[in-house]
Amino acid sequence: GAVVSQHPSRVICKSGTSVKIECRSLDFQATTMFWYRQFPKKSLMLMATSNEGSKATYEQGVEKDKFLINHASLTLSTLTVTSAHPEDSSFYICSARDEQATNTGELFFGEGSRLTVL
Amino acid sequence: RKEVEQDPGPFNVPEGATVAFNCTYSNSASQSFFWYRQDCRKEPKLLMSVYSSGNEDGRFTAQLNRASQYISLLIRDSKLSDSATYLCVVNIPTGNTPLVFGKGTRLSVIA
Repeated sequence: GAVVSQHPSRVICKSGTSVKIECRSLDFQATTMFWYRQFPKKSLMLMATSNEGSKATYEQGVEKDKFLINHASLTLSTLTVTSAHPEDSSFYICSARDEQATNTGELFFGEGSRLTVL
Repeated sequence: RKEVEQDPGPFNVPEGATVAFNCTYSNSASQSFFWYRQDCRKEPKLLMSVYSSGNEDGRFTAQLNRASQYISLLIRDSKLSDSATYLCVVNIPTGNTPLVFGKGTRLSVIA
Protein backbone atom coordinates (compact mmCIF):
# COMPACT_ATOMS: atom_id res chain seq x y z
CA GLY A 1 0.00 0.00 0.00
CA ALA A 2 0.88 3.64 -0.14
CA VAL A 3 3.59 4.76 2.24
CA VAL A 4 4.22 8.09 3.85
CA SER A 5 7.56 8.66 5.50
CA GLN A 6 8.20 11.26 8.15
CA HIS A 7 11.53 12.43 9.52
CA PRO A 8 12.84 12.88 12.15
CA SER A 9 10.87 10.54 14.38
CA ARG A 10 12.16 12.16 17.53
CA VAL A 11 13.79 15.50 18.18
CA ILE A 12 14.84 17.30 21.32
CA CYS A 13 15.76 20.95 21.03
CA LYS A 14 16.40 24.00 23.14
CA SER A 15 13.83 26.70 23.54
CA GLY A 16 14.14 29.33 20.84
CA THR A 17 15.47 27.08 18.12
CA SER A 18 13.63 26.04 14.97
CA VAL A 19 12.86 22.48 14.01
CA LYS A 20 12.01 21.16 10.56
CA ILE A 21 9.96 18.02 10.03
CA GLU A 22 9.77 16.38 6.60
CA CYS A 23 6.90 14.36 5.18
CA ARG A 24 7.32 12.35 2.00
CA SER A 25 4.92 10.26 0.00
CA LEU A 26 7.09 7.39 -1.21
CA ASP A 27 5.11 5.73 -3.96
CA PHE A 28 2.42 8.20 -4.91
CA GLN A 29 2.04 11.88 -5.61
CA ALA A 30 0.15 14.05 -3.19
CA THR A 31 -0.96 17.53 -4.15
CA THR A 32 -2.33 17.87 -0.65
CA MET A 33 -0.88 16.77 2.65
CA PHE A 34 -2.24 17.29 6.13
CA TRP A 35 -0.40 18.11 9.31
CA TYR A 36 -1.87 16.98 12.61
CA ARG A 37 -0.82 17.49 16.17
CA GLN A 38 -1.62 15.08 18.96
CA PHE A 39 -1.34 15.69 22.68
CA PRO A 40 -1.07 12.75 25.09
CA LYS A 41 -4.31 10.79 25.33
CA LYS A 42 -5.99 13.21 22.94
CA SER A 43 -7.16 12.87 19.39
CA LEU A 44 -5.46 14.21 16.33
CA MET A 45 -6.01 17.91 15.75
CA LEU A 46 -5.67 19.19 12.23
CA MET A 47 -3.20 22.06 12.10
CA ALA A 48 -3.03 22.85 8.42
CA THR A 49 -3.54 21.59 4.91
CA SER A 50 -0.41 21.74 2.80
CA ASN A 51 -0.98 22.48 -0.90
CA GLU A 52 1.69 21.79 -3.51
CA GLY A 53 2.79 24.98 -5.19
CA SER A 54 0.62 27.29 -3.11
CA LYS A 55 0.15 28.51 0.43
CA ALA A 56 -0.96 26.21 3.17
CA THR A 57 -4.40 26.54 4.70
CA TYR A 58 -4.24 26.86 8.46
CA GLU A 59 -6.92 25.89 10.92
CA GLN A 60 -8.31 28.46 13.28
CA GLY A 61 -6.00 29.15 16.18
CA VAL A 62 -2.86 27.83 14.45
CA GLU A 63 -0.23 30.51 13.97
CA LYS A 64 1.07 30.44 10.42
CA ASP A 65 4.24 32.31 11.36
CA LYS A 66 4.91 29.81 14.09
CA PHE A 67 4.30 26.70 12.03
CA LEU A 68 5.74 27.25 8.58
CA ILE A 69 4.63 24.82 5.93
CA ASN A 70 6.25 24.36 2.56
CA HIS A 71 5.01 21.95 -0.10
CA ALA A 72 7.61 22.33 -2.79
CA SER A 73 6.98 19.13 -4.71
CA LEU A 74 4.33 16.50 -5.19
CA THR A 75 6.06 14.17 -2.76
CA LEU A 76 7.42 16.45 -0.04
CA SER A 77 5.90 18.75 2.56
CA THR A 78 7.82 20.28 5.44
CA LEU A 79 6.66 21.71 8.74
CA THR A 80 9.00 24.08 10.53
CA VAL A 81 8.30 24.93 14.15
CA THR A 82 9.94 28.32 14.54
CA SER A 83 11.33 29.63 17.82
CA ALA A 84 10.10 26.55 19.61
CA HIS A 85 8.91 26.73 23.19
CA PRO A 86 8.14 23.97 25.68
CA GLU A 87 4.41 24.26 24.96
CA ASP A 88 5.17 23.23 21.36
CA SER A 89 6.27 19.83 22.61
CA SER A 90 3.93 17.35 21.02
CA PHE A 91 3.51 14.53 18.53
CA TYR A 92 3.28 15.89 15.00
CA ILE A 93 1.92 13.61 12.27
CA CYS A 94 1.60 14.21 8.57
CA SER A 95 -0.75 12.41 6.24
CA ALA A 96 -1.66 12.22 2.59
CA ARG A 97 -4.15 10.61 0.26
CA ASP A 98 -3.25 8.62 -2.77
CA GLU A 99 -5.45 10.57 -5.13
CA GLN A 100 -5.19 7.90 -7.82
CA ALA A 101 -6.44 5.15 -5.52
CA THR A 102 -10.00 3.91 -5.61
CA ASN A 103 -10.53 4.47 -1.90
CA THR A 104 -9.78 8.16 -1.88
CA GLY A 105 -11.14 8.52 1.61
CA GLU A 106 -8.22 6.70 3.19
CA LEU A 107 -5.40 8.70 4.68
CA PHE A 108 -1.89 7.33 4.98
CA PHE A 109 0.08 8.60 7.90
CA GLY A 110 3.73 9.22 8.46
CA GLU A 111 5.32 7.62 11.49
CA GLY A 112 5.01 10.85 13.45
CA SER A 113 7.61 13.15 14.98
CA ARG A 114 7.86 13.55 18.71
CA LEU A 115 9.13 17.01 19.53
CA THR A 116 10.45 17.86 22.97
CA VAL A 117 11.44 21.45 23.62
CA LEU A 118 13.56 21.97 26.72
CA ARG B 1 -22.08 18.96 19.73
CA LYS B 2 -18.66 17.67 18.71
CA GLU B 3 -18.25 16.49 15.14
CA VAL B 4 -17.25 12.97 16.10
CA GLU B 5 -17.85 11.57 19.56
CA GLN B 6 -16.63 8.35 21.07
CA ASP B 7 -16.64 6.78 24.50
CA PRO B 8 -12.99 7.17 25.55
CA GLY B 9 -12.99 4.01 27.67
CA PRO B 10 -10.80 2.39 28.70
CA PHE B 11 -12.42 -0.93 27.95
CA ASN B 12 -10.66 -3.68 29.85
CA VAL B 13 -11.76 -7.09 28.61
CA PRO B 14 -10.46 -10.64 28.97
CA GLU B 15 -9.07 -12.55 26.03
CA GLY B 16 -11.80 -14.12 23.97
CA ALA B 17 -14.40 -11.54 24.90
CA THR B 18 -16.55 -9.64 22.45
CA VAL B 19 -16.37 -5.86 22.71
CA ALA B 20 -18.26 -3.13 20.88
CA PHE B 21 -17.37 0.52 20.34
CA ASN B 22 -19.81 3.22 19.36
CA CYS B 23 -19.35 6.52 17.64
CA THR B 24 -21.72 9.33 16.68
CA TYR B 25 -21.14 12.06 14.12
CA SER B 26 -22.89 15.40 13.78
CA ASN B 27 -22.70 16.21 10.07
CA SER B 28 -25.50 14.42 8.26
CA ALA B 29 -23.77 15.06 4.93
CA SER B 30 -20.78 12.91 5.89
CA GLN B 31 -20.10 10.31 3.28
CA SER B 32 -17.14 8.18 4.30
CA PHE B 33 -16.50 6.48 7.59
CA PHE B 34 -13.54 4.59 8.91
CA TRP B 35 -12.13 2.91 11.93
CA TYR B 36 -8.44 3.53 12.51
CA ARG B 37 -6.26 1.80 15.04
CA GLN B 38 -3.51 3.63 16.89
CA ASP B 39 -0.96 1.87 19.05
CA CYS B 40 0.77 3.78 21.81
CA ARG B 41 3.18 6.38 20.43
CA LYS B 42 2.57 5.22 16.85
CA GLU B 43 0.75 6.67 13.89
CA PRO B 44 -2.88 5.73 13.19
CA LYS B 45 -3.46 2.98 10.67
CA LEU B 46 -6.62 2.15 8.79
CA LEU B 47 -8.42 -0.81 10.31
CA MET B 48 -11.44 -0.84 8.06
CA SER B 49 -13.77 1.32 6.08
CA VAL B 50 -17.43 1.35 7.10
CA TYR B 51 -19.99 0.73 4.39
CA SER B 52 -23.71 1.40 4.47
CA SER B 53 -24.52 -2.28 4.31
CA GLY B 54 -22.15 -3.11 7.12
CA ASN B 55 -18.99 -5.05 6.57
CA GLU B 56 -16.95 -7.72 8.23
CA ASP B 57 -13.25 -8.47 8.17
CA GLY B 58 -12.38 -11.54 10.17
CA ARG B 59 -13.15 -10.86 13.81
CA PHE B 60 -14.07 -7.24 13.11
CA THR B 61 -17.52 -6.04 12.09
CA ALA B 62 -18.40 -2.44 11.30
CA GLN B 63 -21.90 -1.04 11.08
CA LEU B 64 -23.26 2.30 9.91
CA ASN B 65 -26.65 3.76 10.79
CA ARG B 66 -27.13 6.92 8.76
CA ALA B 67 -30.51 7.74 10.28
CA SER B 68 -29.04 7.84 13.77
CA GLN B 69 -25.64 9.08 12.56
CA TYR B 70 -24.00 6.26 14.38
CA ILE B 71 -21.09 3.92 13.64
CA SER B 72 -20.06 0.84 15.53
CA LEU B 73 -17.14 -1.56 15.64
CA LEU B 74 -17.49 -5.07 17.04
CA ILE B 75 -14.46 -7.17 17.89
CA ARG B 76 -15.06 -10.85 18.51
CA ASP B 77 -12.70 -13.27 20.24
CA SER B 78 -10.45 -10.47 21.48
CA LYS B 79 -6.71 -11.06 21.34
CA LEU B 80 -4.00 -9.46 23.44
CA SER B 81 -2.74 -7.86 20.24
CA ASP B 82 -6.04 -6.01 19.83
CA SER B 83 -5.05 -3.71 22.69
CA ALA B 84 -4.88 -0.24 21.17
CA THR B 85 -6.86 2.94 20.74
CA TYR B 86 -9.59 2.76 18.11
CA LEU B 87 -10.37 5.99 16.33
CA CYS B 88 -13.69 6.68 14.68
CA VAL B 89 -13.07 8.78 11.60
CA VAL B 90 -15.48 10.66 9.38
CA ASN B 91 -15.05 12.43 6.06
CA ILE B 92 -16.74 15.83 6.21
CA PRO B 93 -17.41 16.59 2.55
CA THR B 94 -16.74 20.33 2.39
CA GLY B 95 -13.99 21.14 -0.08
CA ASN B 96 -10.77 19.23 0.27
CA THR B 97 -11.06 18.69 3.97
CA PRO B 98 -9.27 15.81 5.54
CA LEU B 99 -10.78 13.30 7.86
CA VAL B 100 -12.16 14.28 11.25
CA PHE B 101 -11.07 12.07 14.10
CA GLY B 102 -12.84 11.13 17.26
CA LYS B 103 -10.80 11.10 20.44
CA GLY B 104 -10.53 7.35 20.32
CA THR B 105 -11.57 4.49 22.54
CA ARG B 106 -8.85 2.70 24.41
CA LEU B 107 -9.04 -1.08 24.57
CA SER B 108 -6.99 -3.30 26.85
CA VAL B 109 -7.29 -7.04 26.39
CA ILE B 110 -6.14 -8.90 29.45
CA ALA B 111 -4.83 -12.45 29.62
